[in-house]
Amino acid sequence: DAGVIQSPRHEVTEMGQEVTLRCKPISGHDYLFWYRQTMMRGLELLIYFNNNVPIDDSGMPEDRFSAKMPNASFSTLKIQPSEPRDSAVYFCASSHSGGENEQFFGPGTRLTVL
Amino acid sequence: GDSVTQMEGPVTLSEEAFLTINCTYTATGYPSLFWYVQYPGEGLQLLLKATKADDKGSNKGFEATYRKETTSFHLEKGSVQVSDSAVYFCALSYTGTASKLTFGTGTRLQVTL
Repeated sequence: DAGVIQSPRHEVTEMGQEVTLRCKPISGHDYLFWYRQTMMRGLELLIYFNNNVPIDDSGMPEDRFSAKMPNASFSTLKIQPSEPRDSAVYFCASSHSGGENEQFFGPGTRLTVL
Repeated sequence: GDSVTQMEGPVTLSEEAFLTINCTYTATGYPSLFWYVQYPGEGLQLLLKATKADDKGSNKGFEATYRKETTSFHLEKGSVQVSDSAVYFCALSYTGTASKLTFGTGTRLQVTL
């Protein structure tokens, strides 16, 4: 298995632009998580899905952030409009309910908003 | 609510030194405990885990024992290598629930020659 795939790996954009981050979870996994990592706040859970349904989005910082999971093999995290304080590394992770809660992380997308 | 507390980093050690990274937790139930490692420029990956009290997780020379009486899960390694330089995260989760992990803040380890 290729593991969790994220794209792009790096994104540089200007303030006010829309940013879309993409994630393909491991086949057969029914949970998908989006995290944000910064030096100041560490690793934060933004939202997670179970069977494509959002379960908890309490970590989403504000209305500028939205996430979707249209099918079991694809999820997006969108920021519109982007701001410099959104600069961070965004990770996607997946897991399956039959396991012992081990999450498999993607390589991350490093976002820089100028 | 549940929480995980890790020792502050960075931890700087010479190669072949003994490593301990402290982790304590607060939980309402009986969670599983994990150590994840993040190498530079990569995502987190599971290092080891323990699912019940007194269990010892081990992998790549690292060990951690689930201590219910002290609510701790300290990570140890007898002889660190430069390649162990990374950020280490302690985490907890409840098997059979939402698979959600509660992470500590991470401890950066730097190993020098």
